[in-house]
Amino acid sequence: DAGVIQSPRHEVTEMGQEVTLRCKPISGHDYLFWYRQTMMRGLELLIYFNNNVPIDDSGMPEDRFSAKMPNASFSTLKIQPSEPRDSAVYFCASRAGAEGTGNTIYFGEGSWLTVV
Amino acid sequence: RKEVEQDPGPFNVPEGATVAFNCTYSNSASQSFFWYRQDCRKEPKLLMSVYSSGNEDGRFTAQLNRASQYISLLIRDSKLSDSATYLCVVVPQGSYKLIFGSGTRLLVRP
Repeated sequence: DAGVIQSPRHEVTEMGQEVTLRCKPISGHDYLFWYRQTMMRGLELLIYFNNNVPIDDSGMPEDRFSAKMPNASFSTLKIQPSEPRDSAVYFCASRAGAEGTGNTIYFGEGSWLTVV
Repeated sequence: RKEVEQDPGPFNVPEGATVAFNCTYSNSASQSFFWYRQDCRKEPKLLMSVYSSGNEDGRFTAQLNRASQYISLLIRDSKLSDSATYLCVVVPQGSYKLIFGSGTRLLVRP
């Protein structure tokens, strides 16, 4: 089975440019998460969706960041305009929505973003 | 205070050693706990869940102390392949958010 698929895997962009990261969750999973990882701050939850609806976006750093999930198989995280401090690994993850809390979340391989 | 705190390490141990990591969490209402493993330049992957009664999976033992709000991971007979960063994860009550600690790095040397 295909896991969580992210694109691009690596991106280098200039400050001020728009960046769009893409994610395809595991088929049938109801929850989708966007995390950011840096050496200084570790893994931070940016936003998560349930059935395509944003549930908690309290981790989104500022208005330059936006996330959408137009359907169950696709989500985007957009940064506009990008800044050097946005350089990080952005992970998308998904999980099934069964009752209880024992379900594992599965991460994609990450999108490595460098803003110069 | 961070929601989940871990000693960053690194813990540098010889093969065959036993090593233990601890993690503390601030939200007493947290309901679920996990240990994830992350290899260099890879994504985090679930290592094991942590149950109140403690649980074991081969060389790995996880324990939860709700009264003191800490979680532990014990690795026995360390292998070179155990070298990785171990992330403590807490899920607040009524939420599906996984809150990650900053990780503890383990280096197992020959």
